[in-house]
Amino acid sequence: EAEVAQSPRYKITEKSQAVAFWCDPISGHATLYWYRQILGQGPELLVQFQDESVVDDSQLPKDRFSAERLKGVDSTLKIQPAELGDSAMYLCASRKRGLYNEQFFGPGTRLTVL
Amino acid sequence: AQKITQTQPGMFVQEKEAVTLDCTYDTSDPSYGLFWYKQPSSGEMIFLIYQGSYDQQNATEGRYSLNFQKARKSANLVISASQLGDSAMYFCAMREDNTGNQFYFGTGTSLTVIP
Repeated sequence: EAEVAQSPRYKITEKSQAVAFWCDPISGHATLYWYRQILGQGPELLVQFQDESVVDDSQLPKDRFSAERLKGVDSTLKIQPAELGDSAMYLCASRKRGLYNEQFFGPGTRLTVL
Repeated sequence: AQKITQTQPGMFVQEKEAVTLDCTYDTSDPSYGLFWYKQPSSGEMIFLIYQGSYDQQNATEGRYSLNFQKARKSANLVISASQLGDSAMYFCAMREDNTGNQFYFGTGTSLTVIP
């Protein structure tokens, strides 16, 4: 069964360092989402791609976060510099075109900033 | 205003009993979808069930059913015959079809199944 792949699964870094997360969506899924989930809360959308274009990045802290999906397939989310408050789970999800389709999530990357 | 409200931070249910997890939503979009996801302690989000705003019947998927009350803007998840493996966080989510297909999530309900 096809799955959304994410790496790394865990990342520990010191504040002010740069970190990068990778996501490979299910083949053929045009829409890709990056979420941040702080412990005890629901996922919060950071950025949404449709193919290679950004559809919504209104909640992305653009002074330190960047995301790209150059060929409309896999995607990278970067944080530079990382801050203590960035410690969270970063979830990637993908979805087929069409209104009535759910999104499928990857296993997530758990980031700890020391 | 919150798009999705889950008012039960934690719930307990006896094994083999049924449990209802509450979810209310807020939207002015006439076309939307409602979803429930399960998140075990391992962290992955598992899709459970979907209800479209125009669906006439409540959605069902195995032991999961969605009690959709459109006028009340509620979409409660019912889990029948609870199992120990059902212990997890449960998130209600909504997608508004006319605003870019963004998903909005609630704060979740932690369900514990007691043997």
